[in-house]
Amino acid sequence: AQSVTQLGSHVSVSEGALVLLRCNYSSSVPPYLFWYVQYPNQGLQLLLKYTSAATLVKGINGFEAEFKKSETSFHLTKPSAHMSDAAEYFCAVRALNQAGTALIFGKGTTLSVSS
Amino acid sequence: DVKVTQSSRYLVKRTGEKVFLECVQDMDHENMFWYRQDPGLGLRLIYFSYDVKMKEKGDIPEGYSVSREKKERFSLILESASTNQTSMYLCASLSGANVLTFGAGSRLTVL
Repeated sequence: AQSVTQLGSHVSVSEGALVLLRCNYSSSVPPYLFWYVQYPNQGLQLLLKYTSAATLVKGINGFEAEFKKSETSFHLTKPSAHMSDAAEYFCAVRALNQAGTALIFGKGTTLSVSS
Repeated sequence: DVKVTQSSRYLVKRTGEKVFLECVQDMDHENMFWYRQDPGLGLRLIYFSYDVKMKEKGDIPEGYSVSREKKERFSLILESASTNQTSMYLCASLSGANVLTFGAGSRLTVL
């Protein structure tokens, strides 16, 4: 079975500071991993995905994530936070079963950015 | 770009009413999903469908049913709405590259 754990439901940073959002996964098959972002009153949009190619994945808006198999982690980082990065972030893992494919999401991390 | 459209952004219903949430995607995707989003609980999968008339239960199917009569449309049905079904409902469609595209969400309040 596949699952995702996001460490920290809230993260607060100052504008210009490093952003680090943590995600650990469990998967019985080689994982496909995703980060999604949700801005207030909107649906989720894809930030980046890992699908067994390069372990360092670059996404939109300056975000990147590194797949570390030994640590079963897929942490999201951004070198310098902007006010516009304030949102909720979700890590997800692909789940395969007999019926097909679904994505299993973590509980989310709310990022606050202060000036 | 794939577009996923949820017909109702905000709904207010009374306990016991039947509720239909409609979702349409425009990219001929086979897989479609209904998630429920609650604060502190993240997104939980209610049902998904991998083809017309085919459906599979997710993690929290109780109190819900779904309908997929056409490939582009996936409906979530609450047969008898209850207050604990007050939530944000998100529909999504899955591409061949395993990317989910979400609709804007339907916020349901059950009084």
